[in-house]
Parts: sequence; C-alpha cells; structure tokens
Amino acid sequence: EAQVTQNPRYLITVTGKKLTVTCSQNMNHEYMSWYRQDPGLGLRQIYYSMNVEVTDKGDVPEGYKVSRKEKRNFPLILESPSPNQTSLYFCASSRQGYSYEQYFGPGTRLTVT
Amino acid sequence: EDQVTQSPEALRLQEGESSSLNCSYTVSGLRGLFWYRQDPGKGPEFLFTLYSAGEEKEKERLKATLTKKESFLHITAPKPEDSATYLCAVQAISGAGSYQLTFGKGTKLSVIP
Repeated sequence: EAQVTQNPRYLITVTGKKLTVTCSQNMNHEYMSWYRQDPGLGLRQIYYSMNVEVTDKGDVPEGYKVSRKEKRNFPLILESPSPNQTSLYFCASSRQGYSYEQYFGPGTRLTVT
Repeated sequence: EDQVTQSPEALRLQEGESSSLNCSYTVSGLRGLFWYRQDPGKGPEFLFTLYSAGEEKEKERLKATLTKKESFLHITAPKPEDSATYLCAVQAISGAGSYQLTFGKGTKLSVIP
C-alpha cells in the first residue's frame, strides 16, 4: 500500500530535550516536505526537499532541522524544543516538486511543556 | 509574497443543499492550485489540481473551477459524509518559493442530515 508514515504519532516532551520525528514514504517520490498545523494559522511549510541531499526552507524553518540522506526518509529534528513548537506536524511527499499532488502522513501531535 | 484566502471560514448546509467554497489567491505566477480535504485528526487528502484559468475538474459531487484570481469548489447535493475541512493551496511558477506550497486556512463544511 502506497503511504507516508510518521513516528511517533503522539509525543509529550520537555523544553530543551532534543527529539526527532521520522517520516518515510514507499512511493519512490522525489519531493518531501514538513508542515505544521496550528488553529487559526492553517498549514505552514517548515522545510522541503527536492531530492536526496537537497533541502530548502519553507515559511517557518526557525527551530527545526532536516536531512535527506535517503530518498524514502525525511526526518524532522528539533534540537532544543520550546513550547511554541507545540503543534500538529505533517510530512508529505510527491512525485516531483512541481505541480504534483502531495500525499500526507497521518500527523504527529507534539506537546512541549 | 504568495497569499491564499478562503471563505467562508465555516459553512453549514442541509443535506442536498448545494453551495460553493471560495479560494482567492495572490501569486506572482501560478504553477498550480490544489484542493485538499481534511478530516479531523487526519492528514489532508488530495482532491484536484488546476493549472490555468478556465480549467474545471469534477469528482463525484465536487467540481473545482479556476479563474485568474480565485478558485471555487462547488458541492452539489452534499451528503453528511462530505463534512470536512477543505483546503486550498497554490504553488508559484518562479522565484525563491517556486517549490513551496502556500495553504489557505480552510473552510470547515458541516452537512446536516
């Protein structure tokens, strides 16, 4: 089954404790992206990757890191989480970066206390 | 800066009562406009991509149209299972943000039996 998976689905952590949210897709997609969704603000893009070893900032990259060492995986790293990073995070992938529909993962609900 | 504005924020319809959702956009050059459906607690699900003014696409009770400034999602004779948040997103044709997707805040649709 074609899908985007994220782990963990739920995470409660404390300020400053480094964490990684994993994202994996099995569709051989070149483009992958991370979003956060907050009430009243909608979906906002954090980082995206056009292909292996190629990443770029989205609208809200501060406080986040990403890497793309393999085509199927695109982890999101929070080096020192803060309460304002409490949010619902989605990973997405598409065949290419231009004009192709994105397939979204199930989401990761992160709470930073 | 690319902007996407969706209206109304929320819409309540009786089953069978047709209506339209609006997505107004400002972008330097449109590469594609996307419609997604999002159910509570889940990732967005792709519905349509529109590329140029005058284009229309249909899927079951949904029909998406595009002009140079806005897109409409028409819902004909909706059913309760059409209840969801509908998201609009645009991708620009050039510039630093050419691989970015900018989302609107969505329209929450409720269809009452």
